[in-house]
Amino acid sequence: GAVVSQHPSRVICKSGTSVKIECRSLDFQATTMFWYRQFPKQSLMLMATSNEGSKATYEQGVEKDKFLINHASLTLSTLTVTSAHPEDSSFYICSARARQGWMNTEAFFGQGTRLTVV
Amino acid sequence: GENVEQHPSTLSVQEGDSAVIKCTYSDSASNYFPWYKQELGKRPQLIIDIRSNVGEKKDQRIAVTLNKTAKHFSLHITETQPEDSAVYFCAAIGPQNQGGKLIFGQGTELSVKP
Repeated sequence: GAVVSQHPSRVICKSGTSVKIECRSLDFQATTMFWYRQFPKQSLMLMATSNEGSKATYEQGVEKDKFLINHASLTLSTLTVTSAHPEDSSFYICSARARQGWMNTEAFFGQGTRLTVV
Repeated sequence: GENVEQHPSTLSVQEGDSAVIKCTYSDSASNYFPWYKQELGKRPQLIIDIRSNVGEKKDQRIAVTLNKTAKHFSLHITETQPEDSAVYFCAAIGPQNQGGKLIFGQGTELSVKP
């Protein structure tokens, strides 16, 4: 399958600082990227949907100003957690998908980023 | 929007037995249903998927069935092995013109005992 690379895999930051997470599709053009948050032993909760060249669509309850998403090209999307606090500590994972006409295609996941805010 | 319900949350079987995980979805416009296996601390891996124009799909020991009328789909694993132990997620994708969001079920922790 296609490869999605997410960096960093782990990051520890101080409370109040910002952290940027990158998600790259290495061998295909990702028209859509999704960002998820996963707490231990829980499901993946969709945070936002990112389409190349347009503003991200955030799910209800997700703060746009806190979780900044940029999808500047067909191979790169970034998630910036601004003014991070300990409650933002979580596993963040991106997913990328290429469009084939109107059919939905397989979504490929990055490795995930374990964020710890101290 | 789409809502996906999955059960059971935990499932323990003996090696060699079958395991069945069931999901229901709410949006009748959803047309693609993947299943993922996630090991601790790792990314979800696609194990099988089914599109809405198909009722059943099989790949070796894994099969998925879809009932569009009832809006539910199931994962069947036969001849389970200890390495099948993981968390399994079902998901549903809505149509592209509605964002094509991939929404996950709550997950099932499968334990296969030797």
